[in-house]
Amino acid sequence: SQKIEQNSEALNIQEGKTATLTCNYTNYSPAYLQWYRQDPGRGPVFLLLIRENEKEKRKERLKVTFDTTLKQSLFHITASQPADSATYLCALDLSGSGGYQKVTFGTGTKLQVIP
Amino acid sequence: GAVVSQHPSRVICKSGTSVKIECRSLDFQATTMFWYRQFPKQSLMLMATSNEGSKATYEQGVEKDKFLINHASLTLSTLTVTSAHPEDSSFYICSATDGPYEQYFGPGTRLTVT
Repeated sequence: SQKIEQNSEALNIQEGKTATLTCNYTNYSPAYLQWYRQDPGRGPVFLLLIRENEKEKRKERLKVTFDTTLKQSLFHITASQPADSATYLCALDLSGSGGYQKVTFGTGTKLQVIP
Repeated sequence: GAVVSQHPSRVICKSGTSVKIECRSLDFQATTMFWYRQFPKQSLMLMATSNEGSKATYEQGVEKDKFLINHASLTLSTLTVTSAHPEDSSFYICSATDGPYEQYFGPGTRLTVT
């Protein structure tokens, strides 16, 4: 069965540093991968989507890489700020077609940026 | 843009009663809506996929007679938890989409069954 792994331990980093979160998956070849942010008691918010034929995607201070050989995506936040503190979820396209919205979510990694 | 609302945000009900949760897309027409459940420190678990005017597609292990989904319009989907029990206590989140990729999530509904 498909398995998505994110570091379940919280990640604590100093303000201004780059935070790097990891998403690993097994037994599947997703057409795309998404990253979401979730604050406590709230629904997730979409951040970035990267397709299987893309190595890297950037949006402001965010950068996502997608290595289909390693079956891994890395999510980077540069110049991190306390406001970046949240749980970050990766989600994988389950259909394989690349055009349908059904995704499977990882358990998320909680990021704490320390002032 | 792309705002999704849920109502109520919190609900407490007695065991055996039914609870209805509404999910609305406020500024766009949602071709598809999804219902998720999230337990503390766990990931979102997809319960069902709902398209306007058709029956919802439930994930394996989700009882369709217990979790009734009605998608009456392109902006409204409802989830009714029937004969709720304490084990149904959870955080229920809906999402809506008008395209193939990005999902817009509602703020969630915290259900507590006593």
